[in-house]
Amino acid sequence: DMKVTQMPRYLIKRMGENVLLECGQDMSHETMYWYRQDPGLGLQLIYISYDVDSNSEGDIPKGYRVSRKKREHFSLILDSAKTNQTSVYFCASSPGTGPSAETLYFGSGTRLTVL
Amino acid sequence: GQQVKQSSPSLTVQEGGISILNCDYENDMFDYFAWYKKYPDNSPTLLISVRSNVDKREDGRLTVFLNKSGKHFSLHITASQPEDTAVYLCAAGENQGGSAKLIFGEGTKLTVSS
Repeated sequence: DMKVTQMPRYLIKRMGENVLLECGQDMSHETMYWYRQDPGLGLQLIYISYDVDSNSEGDIPKGYRVSRKKREHFSLILDSAKTNQTSVYFCASSPGTGPSAETLYFGSGTRLTVL
Repeated sequence: GQQVKQSSPSLTVQEGGISILNCDYENDMFDYFAWYKKYPDNSPTLLISVRSNVDKREDGRLTVFLNKSGKHFSLHITASQPEDTAVYLCAAGENQGGSAKLIFGEGTKLTVSS
């Protein structure tokens, strides 16, 4: 079963707290992504990971860091969360090879509220 | 600035009509173009994609047109149906050894009225 799983689905944190968003995929995809979605802005790329410990900044990396120690797991970390990081966060993965190399498979999203 | 832009935040089409969704991009190194569909409270799913070596691709009621000189691509949905009502996100990127750092537009909310 091809799936990208995000945990948790909903999360409420206070400003200054640390936040960990987890993502897993069971398709052995090389490439994984973290996006955030805000009204009127579409999906903005935070980080991309090409494989274990091979991570690259996206368009809005400030305030975030990532960790990929196993191919199937990609974590997004907010150290000392800010209210402007309230958003819906999507994890995605793509095969990286074959005719559908670039196709993104998205998780169901995490709705984060920072109070 | 916004590298991939959808200038129309919303579009309403009568059932049975043609829906035309537009997307402009800035980076002429982009060689992969895609349209994703998103229902409320759901994740985006790929509808159709095209690489830069073609200027048109059809898949059932969907057609993507690519105009590289104009840095523009569009999605045409024929015989639009109420279940086509959703947010449509265009995306573009440069293929880098198999992966593409996809940049998304802001989205266009399509409403198909019956």
